[in-house]
Amino acid sequence: DAMVIQNPRYQVTQFGKPVTLSCSQTLNHNVMYWYQQKSSQAPKLLFHYYDKDFNNEADTPDNFQSRRPNTSFCFLDIRSPGLGDAAMYLCATSSPGTGVPNYEQYFGPGTRLTVT
Amino acid sequence: AQSVTQPDIHITVSEGASLELRCNYSYGATPYLFWYVQSPGQGLQLLLKYFSGDTLVQGIKGFEAEFKRSQSSFNLRKPSVHWSDAAEYFCAGAGSYRLTFGKGTKLSVIP
Repeated sequence: DAMVIQNPRYQVTQFGKPVTLSCSQTLNHNVMYWYQQKSSQAPKLLFHYYDKDFNNEADTPDNFQSRRPNTSFCFLDIRSPGLGDAAMYLCATSSPGTGVPNYEQYFGPGTRLTVT
Repeated sequence: AQSVTQPDIHITVSEGASLELRCNYSYGATPYLFWYVQSPGQGLQLLLKYFSGDTLVQGIKGFEAEFKRSQSSFNLRKPSVHWSDAAEYFCAGAGSYRLTFGKGTKLSVIP
C-alpha cells in the first residue's frame, strides 16, 4: 500500500544534542510537510517542500531545519533540542495537481520526541 | 484571515448515542474542508472531505458531515457511537495546499 512512513516512531535525545527525524513516502507526492504537535493541541506547520522549493513558516525557530534529497524522502533536523521541543512530529504529503486541485494531506504515524 | 473553529474542546457521549461535532470556517471563498481523527500516539487519519457538489458527505467508520454555506459550518455526525470512536477530532480547511486546523475536539465514550 502507498503510504507515509516515519522513523523512528520514538526518539529520545539529550538537551542540546542534534537529532534527525526521517520521513519517506511511496505516494510520489510533490509536497511534503513537517508539523509539530504538542499534547492536546492541533498540529503546527513548521515548513514544507513544494518539489524542491523550501517554504519556512515565519514563526519556525532557526533551530529547525529540513532537507529533501529526493521526492521520496524528507528529513527534519533539530540542531540543539530544548525541553520545549519535546512533541510529536508529523510528516504529511499532498499532490495538489493541476486543473481541479486536491488538497488532501496524507499523514504518517508520527515520531514522538523526548528531550532529557 | 482564514480560520477554522471547533467550539467544543471535549465531548462525552454514551456508547450507542448519536454524535455531532461542530466546525465553523471563515474563508473568502468556499474552502476545501476535511475531518481528521487522531487516536492517542498516532498520526491523523482522514475521515471525509468536501470539495464541491453534494453537501452531505459520507466518510469512513460510519461518519458523515454536512456542509452548510449559510452557517459557515461543516459538522461531523455519527448516528451511533462505538467505544473505539474515542479519539481527538480535527476539522481543517484549505484554500491552497496548506491546511488550517481547528483546535480539535476530544471525544470520550462512556460504556
